[in-house]
Amino acid sequence: GAGVSQSPSNKVTEKGKDVELRCDPISGHTALYWYRQSLGQGLEFLIYFQGNSAPDKSGLPSDRFSAERTGGSVSTLTIQRTQQEDSAVYLCASMHRGVESYEQYFGPGTRLTVT
Amino acid sequence: AQSVSQHNHHVILSEAASLELGCNYSYGGTVNLFWYVQYPGQHLQLLLKYFSGDPLVKGIKGFEAEFIKSKFSFNLRKPSVQWSDTAEYFCAVNAGDRDDKIIFGKGTRLHILP
Repeated sequence: GAGVSQSPSNKVTEKGKDVELRCDPISGHTALYWYRQSLGQGLEFLIYFQGNSAPDKSGLPSDRFSAERTGGSVSTLTIQRTQQEDSAVYLCASMHRGVESYEQYFGPGTRLTVT
Repeated sequence: AQSVSQHNHHVILSEAASLELGCNYSYGGTVNLFWYVQYPGQHLQLLLKYFSGDPLVKGIKGFEAEFIKSKFSFNLRKPSVQWSDTAEYFCAVNAGDRDDKIIFGKGTRLHILP
């Protein structure tokens, strides 16, 4: 079946502009995660959603970052007033919460470049 | 909060050499542990995972990992590496008795010389 998809695949924006990154998880997966990947920093946890529970936002680096998940499916990560240090690959993953299937499936990522 | 430390940032080996990548986590409760791999230009994918039971876990492509609770470690091993194992490897931990938050280490870049 279809995997996790993300759009756009690449985004170049000017410093100070807002950007929206989209994630379409695998159908039926209740958990959705956002990570940021940059050289030397590995995968930095940003936020995760699990079903109808309040999201865990503990990894968001500043109040310029926010995310929502509509209808338990599609998620959007928004970065306001982008800064050059926001340049990175933003990865989305989804997961079905079952003992045998407890595994994250990652999307291809959105490469964000702030100029 | 849980955290993960990967000791080796960049490893270079020749084909047929043995591999061990270190991973230590910090969390005192029940943990679920993972190794993911990212081949050049590809998505992250699961290599293996530990939930409970036998602390020696076997994954795809001949990889295995051993959970040593007393050392808070989950090192990845492969007896004989191939050029196709060139990739970045990530260790991850979930506090299994708390929630579904999964934290990753900073990764180890493995380069295999042909």
